Amino acid sequence: GQQVMQIPQYQHVQEGEDFTTYCNSSTTLSNIQWYKQRPGGHPVFLIQLVKSGEVKKQKRLTFQFGEAKKNSSLHITATQTTDVGTYFCARDMRFGAGTRLTVKP
Amino acid sequence: DTAVSQTPKYLVTQMGNDKSIKCEQNLGHDTMYWYKQDSKKFLKIMFSYNNKELIINETVPNRFSPKSPDKAHLNLHINSLELGDSAVYFCASSPFLSSGSGFGYEQYFGPGTRLTVT
Repeated sequence: GQQVMQIPQYQHVQEGEDFTTYCNSSTTLSNIQWYKQRPGGHPVFLIQLVKSGEVKKQKRLTFQFGEAKKNSSLHITATQTTDVGTYFCARDMRFGAGTRLTVKP
Repeated sequence: DTAVSQTPKYLVTQMGNDKSIKCEQNLGHDTMYWYKQDSKKFLKIMFSYNNKELIINETVPNRFSPKSPDKAHLNLHINSLELGDSAVYFCASSPFLSSGSGFGYEQYFGPGTRLTVT
């Protein structure tokens, strides 16, 4: 099945800084999903993107789907300590490797 | 009420033993999954069931045998446990099976079962 590649693997930021994780595919994606897993927790669905060039916002989180539907990004503005966790992109049952975000207060 | 529940939460056992993990969802979903998450947090699909029927079996050793007695339950039995089986196992469910050609369906994950094989 299609595999999605995710970068960076780790990101450490100071509280208040912005954060972005990227998801790429060599083939066109019909949809892309984003999940968050808190330390010691389980993945929790955040959002799904379906349309080319789609942009969705959830408070400080902005999700984008590329025009060619081969890449996606998750951007967090002004990170908070509650944003700590691993962020995964996924296509159906295929998950990216995740980006582990740590936030220094 | 917990949407997707798993038991046990922790499982410590010795090599060569056989163990089972149970999963139940009360969401009325048609599709259930088993994932393995290794120490590097990589989340890999193992099995997918749709309406009690096995849909996906991802190159998992045949020591792993899923069983779905009904739509709300998907259990995982593991024979002859090996050190490399140590991981967190997540059960998940979704309303329908993603077709692969269009709209996907969000998955609801259980709390996970941390399996340690010594």
